[in-house]
Amino acid sequence: DGGITQSPKYLFRKEGQNVTLSCEQNLNHDAMYWYRQDPGQGLRLIYYSQIVNDFQKGDIAEGYSVSREKKESFPLTVTSAQKNPTAFYLCASSIKAGNTEAFFGQGTRLTVV
Amino acid sequence: AQSVTQLDSHVSVSEGTPVLLRCNYSSSYSPSLFWYVQHPNKGLQLLLKYTSAATLVKGINGFEAEFKKSETSFHLTKPSAHMSDAAEYFCVVSDLQGAQKLVFGQGTRLTINP
Repeated sequence: DGGITQSPKYLFRKEGQNVTLSCEQNLNHDAMYWYRQDPGQGLRLIYYSQIVNDFQKGDIAEGYSVSREKKESFPLTVTSAQKNPTAFYLCASSIKAGNTEAFFGQGTRLTVV
Repeated sequence: AQSVTQLDSHVSVSEGTPVLLRCNYSSSYSPSLFWYVQHPNKGLQLLLKYTSAATLVKGINGFEAEFKKSETSFHLTKPSAHMSDAAEYFCVVSDLQGAQKLVFGQGTRLTINP
């Protein structure tokens, strides 16, 4: 089945550690996105990629990094520089950036203790 | 720059009564507009989308939305609420000529009373 897969579903890390969230899609989509969701704040864009080997900062990129070495993969690293990393992280993809519907993964809930 | 305002953070209706979730948008160009639904601890699912075709858009699960350019609105409606409709709903805008990224509203939590 085609879809977008995020792993793991739940992740616990100690403060000061970097952690990488996985996102894989087999939809042959060019564009991929990472969003952060906090209660009462909707979804905020962290990074997005319109094509392989290219990505742009979103609205809240500080403390995060990404790579797009393969079309199907867009991992997100939450670094120790991110001041408040505990959140629900959602990955999405679309055929092309912007004006087409996005397909979402099931999310990763990151808790930093 | 485009933006989205969902006018209600929480809507509560009784089962079997109509649902209205309000959304206003701001866009420099011709927008694409979407409604997504999110059940607890899940990803988002597309309900419906407007991309400059018919102004009344029908989606899944009996939902529909009407694009009104003069009012810059894209309200989501359903004639009769079902318990399974309880979820968070997001209105989303994207410019066809702009920054090519989706902008989300703050979300509206829909509660269905038995």
